[in-house]
Amino acid sequence: DVKVTQSSRYLVKRTGEKVFLECVQDMDHENMFWYRQDPGLGLRLIYFSYDVKMKEKGDIPEGYSVSREKKERFSLILESASTNQTSMYLCASSLSQFLYGYTFGSGTRLTVV
Amino acid sequence: DAKTTQPPSMDCAEGRAANLPCNHSTISGNEYVYWYRQIHSQGPQYIIHGLKNNETNEMASLIITEDRKSSTLILPHATLRDTAVYYCIVRVEAAGNKLTFGGGTRVLVKP
Repeated sequence: DVKVTQSSRYLVKRTGEKVFLECVQDMDHENMFWYRQDPGLGLRLIYFSYDVKMKEKGDIPEGYSVSREKKERFSLILESASTNQTSMYLCASSLSQFLYGYTFGSGTRLTVV
Repeated sequence: DAKTTQPPSMDCAEGRAANLPCNHSTISGNEYVYWYRQIHSQGPQYIIHGLKNNETNEMASLIITEDRKSSTLILPHATLRDTAVYYCIVRVEAAGNKLTFGGGTRVLVKP
């Protein structure tokens, strides 16, 4: 089974801190995604990447950046964390010749205080 | 991607079939219908997808109407572990293409 592993399940950071959320997948998938999930708003796409060193903005990229130096790793960076970035963050991956759906990680619940 | 409309919630009795509807009246010819579910405190899980033919796997069946404007996900024998939010998504099958999640249907399976 494809595994998507997010480095932290829970994280508490202070306003203004630089925050790194790491995601690693073990099945050689080309595509990787970062979503955030908030009550009443569903899942919203922040950034995605379809190849190493490639990135595309999703629907809500403001306040975030990403890094994909290796195929298996996709990092989400909050340059200066703010309280409105308190959320559940979900990473996902998929094959480029996509047929069987995305595989999601278990999520990182980030609280910015 | 076409938008979808799902009921916000539904209850189902354990052991009975759960039929989850989804409207996607603006779907285009090259868009697939996907279903995911999200159990509390977990990431979404892929269930099934289809283009125009009905599909079945070990988890569920997907029935797509002939005009493709709506579909139904069927969980044949719901268990308590099927309690989750179920998302219906339509999207073009293309490399790197993103999923856009709507509000989903919160399904509660009751004993």
